[in-house]
Amino acid sequence: DVKVTQSSRYLVKRTGEKVFLECVQDMDHENMFWYRQDPGLGLRLIYFSYDVKMKEKGDIPEGYSVSREKKERFSLILESASTNQTSMYLCASSPWHRGTDTQYFGPGTRLTVL
Amino acid sequence: GEDVEQSLFLSVREGDSSVINCTYTDSSSTYLYWYKQEPGAGLQLLTYIFSNMDMKQDQRLTVLLNKKDKHLSLRIADTQTGDSAIYFCAESRNSGGYQKVTFGTGTKLQVIP
Repeated sequence: DVKVTQSSRYLVKRTGEKVFLECVQDMDHENMFWYRQDPGLGLRLIYFSYDVKMKEKGDIPEGYSVSREKKERFSLILESASTNQTSMYLCASSPWHRGTDTQYFGPGTRLTVL
Repeated sequence: GEDVEQSLFLSVREGDSSVINCTYTDSSSTYLYWYKQEPGAGLQLLTYIFSNMDMKQDQRLTVLLNKKDKHLSLRIADTQTGDSAIYFCAESRNSGGYQKVTFGTGTKLQVIP
């Protein structure tokens, strides 16, 4: 079974703090993704990575950065958290091959920025 | 651009069939997916269909694809309370050498006992 874990289920931070969200997958997947999920907006892609040290901007990268130093770990960084970044953050991974692009999701981190 | 739209809410009685609909705009989609998100959990793949197929059946689940109208539906037969969840439609296509997946807004299915 593929397992994607996220470092925290719930997180409360203050405006201006630097926030790290960690994601680890144990299936040797090449691709990893960070999404945020907001009611009525579905999932929106923040950043993704298709290899170690590689990163690509998604649809809403502003205010975020990422790090992929090891294949199994993909970190999302909020350099200076703001209240509009209060959201559910979902990490996902998928293998690199032709065909279906099934993504495997972690349980999510609900971040509240006060 | 790409857009995937779903209605936000659906309520059905236990034992009835549920039909969740999705429309998408990108005609170059290669695969279309249905994911399920149970409360407090991440998304889990339910089923997928290749874009050159019209229908796929998997136990209680039936996926119908109308490529001309860019319409995808998920039918759940004999809906149970355990089917209560948010259902996301998603489509993937090649974008700049990568396979890009776009998710819909999600439909919250409420099953009334």
